[in-house]
Amino acid sequence: ETGVTQTPRHLVMGMTNKKSLKCEQHLGHNAMYWYKQSAKKPLELMFVYNFKEQTENNSVPSRFSPECPNSSHLFLHLHTLQPEDSALYLCASSQDYGSRYEQYFGPGTRLTVT
Amino acid sequence: DAKTTQPTSMDCAEGRAANLPCNHSTISGNEYVYWYRQIHSQGPQYIIHGLKNNETNEMASLIITEDRKSSTLILPHATLRDTAVYYCIVSVAGGTSYGKLTFGQGTILTVHP
Repeated sequence: ETGVTQTPRHLVMGMTNKKSLKCEQHLGHNAMYWYKQSAKKPLELMFVYNFKEQTENNSVPSRFSPECPNSSHLFLHLHTLQPEDSALYLCASSQDYGSRYEQYFGPGTRLTVT
Repeated sequence: DAKTTQPTSMDCAEGRAANLPCNHSTISGNEYVYWYRQIHSQGPQYIIHGLKNNETNEMASLIITEDRKSSTLILPHATLRDTAVYYCIVSVAGGTSYGKLTFGQGTILTVHP
């Protein structure tokens, strides 16, 4: 138990659906991250929020839309996804933004797009 | 951030020390070495980090060569639960640069009974 929870743990959605992934951290951290881990590929950083402000967007397609209403919650809104978007989506948090701060990861949401 | 090179896979007997090497020959003076691991179907977990001195915590030891071009993560008494993918990451951590964790393929460590 890392103090970072993600729901749902598994999600199957069609290409025309709209769904949201939720992440919550109970650590009092100021920075939150979304990563994508596709099969046989390294983790890829998608978005970073620091003090609720987006500080990083690594050229992620607009069909992925992040939302950070407060420092404890992070959402990833999904719409019109493609099968190649099937992956493990991981949320992480750290005390502040930057690699010097240990990142705590959630268990991930396993997404399958059909 | 500097690139790292790690062996694809390693084996270790339970109870023995696991020594995981990492090459980072292009590391610059303000870059730290970080180690994370990812147990199957879980999120990555921080292990340890260092700049130039050797570091030790309750999980592992980190040995960085004097020229800082390589390092070794040591798990002193490996258990079956240490079977995981181990990531060596080099990143700036200070000054005006925030630094990012850029994960590579890592080393798959398998601990055998």
